Amino acid sequence: EDQVTQSPEALRLQEGESSSLNCSYTVSGLRGLFWYRQDPGKGPEFLFTLYSAGEEKEKERLKATLTKKESFLHITAPKPEDSATYLCAVPPFSSGSARQLTFGSGTQLTVLP
Amino acid sequence: NAGVTQTPKFRVLKTGQSMTLLCAQDMNHEYMYWYRQDPGMGLRLIHYSVGEGTTAKGEVPDGYNVSRLKKQNFLLGLESAAPSQTSVYFCATSGGARTGELFFGEGSRLTVL
Repeated sequence: EDQVTQSPEALRLQEGESSSLNCSYTVSGLRGLFWYRQDPGKGPEFLFTLYSAGEEKEKERLKATLTKKESFLHITAPKPEDSATYLCAVPPFSSGSARQLTFGSGTQLTVLP
Repeated sequence: NAGVTQTPKFRVLKTGQSMTLLCAQDMNHEYMYWYRQDPGMGLRLIHYSVGEGTTAKGEVPDGYNVSRLKKQNFLLGLESAAPSQTSVYFCATSGGARTGELFFGEGSRLTVL
């Protein structure tokens, strides 16, 4: 069964304290890994797509990287406005549609001023 | 440009009652999805549609029905609500070649007593 596991479940950082979030997956024949940000009371918002091991994407203080078994979301010098739940997702290998995503349960990030 | 709009945003039902959640999109996307989000379990796909007049089952379809009579609308129905269906429901859309890039509504919080 395809699985996506995120760690840690929750992370509290001081403003400016860099760290990384992890997303590990067991999908064989990965057809992309996707990162989303979700603010309280809102729907998830798309951040990045990664397709192959070694690929990196950046957006402001966020950088996503991908290996054959996991992805990391690195947060450099975070600010309080980076506080949110970060979700990763993969499409199942067995699906006829690449758009049916399996989501991890997320990492809730809190950045303290 | 509203994007993806869900109605209602909040609803309380008694066990056995029925209701319909409406998702409307103005993005002209072919694909539409209904997810539910529960604490610690992440987003789980209920049903999805690959175009007007089509529907398909996702990971957790039992107890739900859907219809896509018009391209811009995707309806999620609960015929006989159960407390296990207490959740936050998200509609999402996707289109074009960017698989995995979903656009979410703001969610509908349903409580079944």
